[in-house]
Amino acid sequence: GAVVSQHPSRVICKSGTSVKIECRSLDFQATTMFWYRQFPKKSLMLMATSNEGSKATYEQGVEKDKFLINHASLTLSTLTVTSAHPEDSSFYICSAPRAGRDQETQYFGPGTRLLVL
Amino acid sequence: GENVEQHPSTLSVQEGDSAVIKCTYSDSASNYFPWYKQELGKRPQLIIDIRSNVGEKKDQRIAVTLNKTAKHFSLHITETQPEDSAVYFCAAAGGFKTIFGAGTRLFVKA
Repeated sequence: GAVVSQHPSRVICKSGTSVKIECRSLDFQATTMFWYRQFPKKSLMLMATSNEGSKATYEQGVEKDKFLINHASLTLSTLTVTSAHPEDSSFYICSAPRAGRDQETQYFGPGTRLLVL
Repeated sequence: GENVEQHPSTLSVQEGDSAVIKCTYSDSASNYFPWYKQELGKRPQLIIDIRSNVGEKKDQRIAVTLNKTAKHFSLHITETQPEDSAVYFCAAAGGFKTIFGAGTRLFVKA
């Protein structure tokens, strides 16, 4: 099956620091990856679409300078939360469809729990 | 913009009973409708999906129905078991973009 990993699984940081979260497709290539944010007991909110070799597409209301996305290869996308604040604390999940096959099916990473103090 | 509404937000059933979760979507271009189950602290897992050229699909105790004209789709779980307790998300996708419903917290009481 298709496996997506995320690293780290949880991170605690001080307010004002930056945090990088990695999303990797382990056994397939992904030209597109998606980043979601999930608050406790809430749904998945799409933040941005990460495109390999080009700029990410951000959803309305998501600050692109705050949430930097880099899709450097066909198996890796990174989300950097810059100058993190307590309100950025959340569960961040990435997902990826398989490039060239059944492109609607999303494979989710295990998520990263971010706590900003 | 695109929107997916999901009801109910919470559902409590007795073990062995059926559970039904309903969703509506707004984007006519949506043609793929997956359902995900998310257990506490874990990633969403795809449990069943349906495409717009099909009206119904069944997989053991789980079935989905789709009414494209009305833009409704539903998840049916029969003979519920305690391990079915989780949050269920419907979603509507057109091309690459997937919009999720708000989720339904299902409790199955033993």
